[in-house]
Amino acid sequence: EAQVTQNPRYLITVTGKKLTVTCSQNMNHEYMSWYRQDPGLGLRQIYYSMNVEVTDKGDVPEGYKVSRKEKRNFPLILESPSPNQTSLYFCASSLYAGHTYNEQFFGPGTRLTVL
Amino acid sequence: EDQVTQSPEALRLQEGESSSLNCSYTVSGLRGLFWYRQDPGKGPEFLFTLYSAGEEKEKERLKATLTKKESFLHITAPKPEDSATYLCAVQDNYGQNFVFGPGTRLSVLP
Repeated sequence: EAQVTQNPRYLITVTGKKLTVTCSQNMNHEYMSWYRQDPGLGLRQIYYSMNVEVTDKGDVPEGYKVSRKEKRNFPLILESPSPNQTSLYFCASSLYAGHTYNEQFFGPGTRLTVL
Repeated sequence: EDQVTQSPEALRLQEGESSSLNCSYTVSGLRGLFWYRQDPGKGPEFLFTLYSAGEEKEKERLKATLTKKESFLHITAPKPEDSATYLCAVQDNYGQNFVFGPGTRLSVLP
């Protein structure tokens, strides 16, 4: 089954404790992305990657890191989480079709609470 | 800077009562406009991609249209299972990122 998986689905942590949220896709997609979703603000893109070893900042990259060492995986790293990073996080992937991208497939989400 | 707004913020319809959702956008050059559906607690699910003004796409009770400044999602004779938040997103010609609107929360009452 074609899918994007994220782990963990729920996480409660404390300020300053480094954490990683994993994302994996089995569709051989070139493009992968991380979003956060907050009430009233909608989905905002954090980082994206067009292919292995190619990453770039989205609209809200501060406080986050990513890496793309393999095509299928795109982990999101919070080196020193703060309460304002409490949010619902989604990973997504897409097939690059020439000049544009096809639909993005989204993972089930990770609900993060930083105390 | 690309911007996307959606209206109304929330919409309640009776089953069978047709209506439209609006997505207004500002981009330097549109590469694509995307519609997604999101159910509570789940990730967005793709509905349509529109690339140029005048384009229309249909899927069951949904029809998406595009002009140079906005897109409409028309819902014909909705059913309760159409209740969800509908998200609009754009991608411009100069970047590889996507900008989403805040969404319209649709409730269809039986």
